[in-house]
Amino acid sequence: GQSLEQPSEVTAVEGAIVQINCTYQTSGFYGLSWYQQHDGGAPTFLSYNALDGLEETGRFSSFLSRSDSYGYLLLQELQMKDSASYFCAVYNTDKLIFGTGTRLQVFP
Amino acid sequence: NAGVMQNPRHLVRRRGQEARLRCSPMKGHSHVYWYRQLPEEGLKFMVYLQKENIIDESGMPKERFSAEFPKEGPSILRIQQVVRGDSAAYFCASSPTTLTGELFFGEGSRLTVL
Repeated sequence: GQSLEQPSEVTAVEGAIVQINCTYQTSGFYGLSWYQQHDGGAPTFLSYNALDGLEETGRFSSFLSRSDSYGYLLLQELQMKDSASYFCAVYNTDKLIFGTGTRLQVFP
Repeated sequence: NAGVMQNPRHLVRRRGQEARLRCSPMKGHSHVYWYRQLPEEGLKFMVYLQKENIIDESGMPKERFSAEFPKEGPSILRIQQVVRGDSAAYFCASSPTTLTGELFFGEGSRLTVL
């Protein structure tokens, strides 16, 4: 079977750094993606790791360790607008399989 | 360059009626995916289509649900004889190629079954 686990909720204050972890069990793994979704909105792509290591895109970074079946999303210099749900997703054979999401609340 | 277009954005149906959800992928994208999302939950894969072909329908319920992506026109997700449990947001996504972790999502169609 396939499963992805991530924390259900994370809270932080503006300006802080937060890390959202994701562990997965799947066959046919090609890579790990991260998506952001605001309430009532569409999921939007943040990053994709096909190889081990850290990918940095502005305030957001994503890490993958294929041997540990583990990845994380790192958000720096948090802003109020970062309050949203964050989903990890495994690229499996021909489709993305999403985790259940982590709700991030940023407080002033 | 228009994004993924879904319509209707909101749809209300009574139990037993049919729901048709449409999705036009981004220009140049030939791969379409449908996902279902219940409130406070993740996105559940339903079906992956290319023009005129269903590639992977492993997430589709065996009955009442069907999808197509004709040579001309949008992709359509069809739900027959809707039940209250079908109430959800249905998202369509597209990509230009396979083997990429980047999907472009539409704003979703929110189905409410009374």
